[in-house]
Amino acid sequence: LAKTTQPISMDSYEGQEVNITCSHNNIATNDYITWYQQFPSQGPRFIIQGYKTKVTNEVASLFIPADRKSSTLSLPRVSLSDTAVYYCLVGGSSNTGKLIFGQGTTLQVKP
Amino acid sequence: DAGITQSPRYKITETGRQVTLMCHQTWSHSYMFWYRQDLGHGLRLIYYSAAADITDKGEVPDGYVVSRSKTENFPLTLESATRSQTSVYFCASHGPSYNEQFFGPGTRLTVL
Repeated sequence: LAKTTQPISMDSYEGQEVNITCSHNNIATNDYITWYQQFPSQGPRFIIQGYKTKVTNEVASLFIPADRKSSTLSLPRVSLSDTAVYYCLVGGSSNTGKLIFGQGTTLQVKP
Repeated sequence: DAGITQSPRYKITETGRQVTLMCHQTWSHSYMFWYRQDLGHGLRLIYYSAAADITDKGEVPDGYVVSRSKTENFPLTLESATRSQTSVYFCASHGPSYNEQFFGPGTRLTVL
């Protein structure tokens, strides 16, 4: 399972776009890039996943460059309720579903 | 109710006692997992199960025992609780998409 590196913390203000970048230099060919969100006192929640280029859903966008050695989670127009820890993970269908959660990025959205 | 549930939500016990944390999912997912999360840290995998009667160790299995006689249940037992096992425990099951796990609400365990 590839190791990931992401900032420990980030601050933002309501209404701003937030981009959280994750490095995964040793990503394998069959690995997907997955992001989870965790609110205080709750379990993590899957928010987005991609393999290459760009993926967008109702919550976020995920940008993956051609070399796939990094990825960027983009949260448009954040609100106070987006304050959470965001985890970047990489893994593929061959890894038995095991995921490695790092420290994550604590995003604090201020009014 | 559909989903994944854990019980109890809160538990206080004493050193040396046996404690069992319960996890139940209604989706019939094959894979299930137990994680612990210590204050200010990420999640660490304790044990996981690929199917009924198939379990395997994760990153931090020492001091824990699991069983899975039915697909929907995956209990975690601390045979002799220690203070270092004070943590929040999350159970999860693996959905149909790659790397998509569904987490329970967690059990906050305090060992005195």
